[in-house]
Amino acid sequence: DVKVTQSSRYLVKRTGEKVFLECVQDMDHENMFWYRQDPGLGLRLIYFSYDVKMKEKGDIPEGYSVSREKKERFSLILESASTNQTSMYLCASKDSNLPQHFGDGTRLSIL
Amino acid sequence: EDQVTQSPEALRLQEGESSSLNCSYTVSGLRGLFWYRQDPGKGPEFLFTLYSAGEEKEKERLKATLTKKESFLHITAPKPEDSATYLCAVQAQGSSNTGKLIFGQGTTLQVKP
Repeated sequence: DVKVTQSSRYLVKRTGEKVFLECVQDMDHENMFWYRQDPGLGLRLIYFSYDVKMKEKGDIPEGYSVSREKKERFSLILESASTNQTSMYLCASKDSNLPQHFGDGTRLSIL
Repeated sequence: EDQVTQSPEALRLQEGESSSLNCSYTVSGLRGLFWYRQDPGKGPEFLFTLYSAGEEKEKERLKATLTKKESFLHITAPKPEDSATYLCAVQAQGSSNTGKLIFGQGTTLQVKP
């Protein structure tokens, strides 16, 4: 069974802080994704990675960056957190023709 | 522009009352359509993948069907434990290497005993 683990279930940070969200998958998947999920807006893709050190912008990359130094780990970075980045963040991974598998999410509050 | 629309936004059923959820899509070449279930406070859990019009998949009380414009998730004799948000997503042909998905906004189903 695929396991995607997000480091924190809940996180509270202050405006202007640099925030790191971590995601680890245990299935040697090539592709990893970061989404945010907001009521009425559904899941929106922030960034994805198709290999180590490779990344592509999704639909809403502004204010975010990512890092993938090892195949199993994909980090989302909020360079200077703002209140409009309060959201549920979901990480997913997949390989070849398999569906995306998701972690349980990090609920991030920016005060 | 590729787009996915789910309806209704919310659905309340009595236990045993069958119904269907709709997912309409416009995409430049469909590579796959995916259904997920999401419980409160959890990540989406994969249910089905459909690849071509006419295809059907079943799992317990759920059956997913696909046409060239939409997909339906039929729920037969639902139970309270079927209460969840159901998400539909499509993958376009152009994203076959990356697996990028476009999600609908979801349908929140509540089944009352």
